[in-house]
Amino acid sequence: GENVEQHPSTLSVQEGDSAVIKCTYSDSASNYFPWYKQELGKRPQLIIDIRSNVGEKKDQRIAVTLNKTAKHFSLHITETQPEDSAVYFCAASIVGSSGSARQLTFGSGTQLTVLP
Amino acid sequence: NAGVTQTPKFQVLKTGQSMTLQCAQDMNHEYMSWYRQDPGMGLRLIHYSVGAGITDQGEVPNGYNVSRSTTEDFPLRLLSAAPSQTSVYFCASRGALSDTQYFGPGTRLTVL
Repeated sequence: GENVEQHPSTLSVQEGDSAVIKCTYSDSASNYFPWYKQELGKRPQLIIDIRSNVGEKKDQRIAVTLNKTAKHFSLHITETQPEDSAVYFCAASIVGSSGSARQLTFGSGTQLTVLP
Repeated sequence: NAGVTQTPKFQVLKTGQSMTLQCAQDMNHEYMSWYRQDPGMGLRLIHYSVGAGITDQGEVPNGYNVSRSTTEDFPLRLLSAAPSQTSVYFCASRGALSDTQYFGPGTRLTVL
């Protein structure tokens, strides 16, 4: 089955700096890669996702890049703010052309702390 | 829409007790899943369902049972609770033609 590894497990940055979280996956058939943000005591919430037919996707201060050859994808947060402090999870799955999908396999999470 | 709801929010059990964690969604989603979240281990899939009457095992199914008699509800049963089942449990759902998975608020379970 799919295996997703996520690094680093903890990351501290100064407010205004950029943060990068990296994930690798094992199944070359995986084609859907979402990122979830989980604030303390809250549920995980989808913040951005990417399919394997594109190499990069941006949404305001966050972006995700995908390298299919190397089987890794990364989350980039620019101009970090204290409210970005949370645990971030990457995940991978296979989505068929009809929309059917295998279940998500999650990375172990990254605790991001933005220092004021 | 209430989205995905879970009850209870907190529960303390003694070893050997049984209980059912409730999960419901009002978005008419076909896919529903149960995850457990432990420190440093991310979210691990326990069981999932692709529609009413259909369930399957995930990565860590031992000690848990599920059923899906309706589209809306997907309860998770602990047959004989063990301390190793102390965790936060999340239910999630998504539509058949959507990538986006929605999570419930979670149930924090402690087994003494």
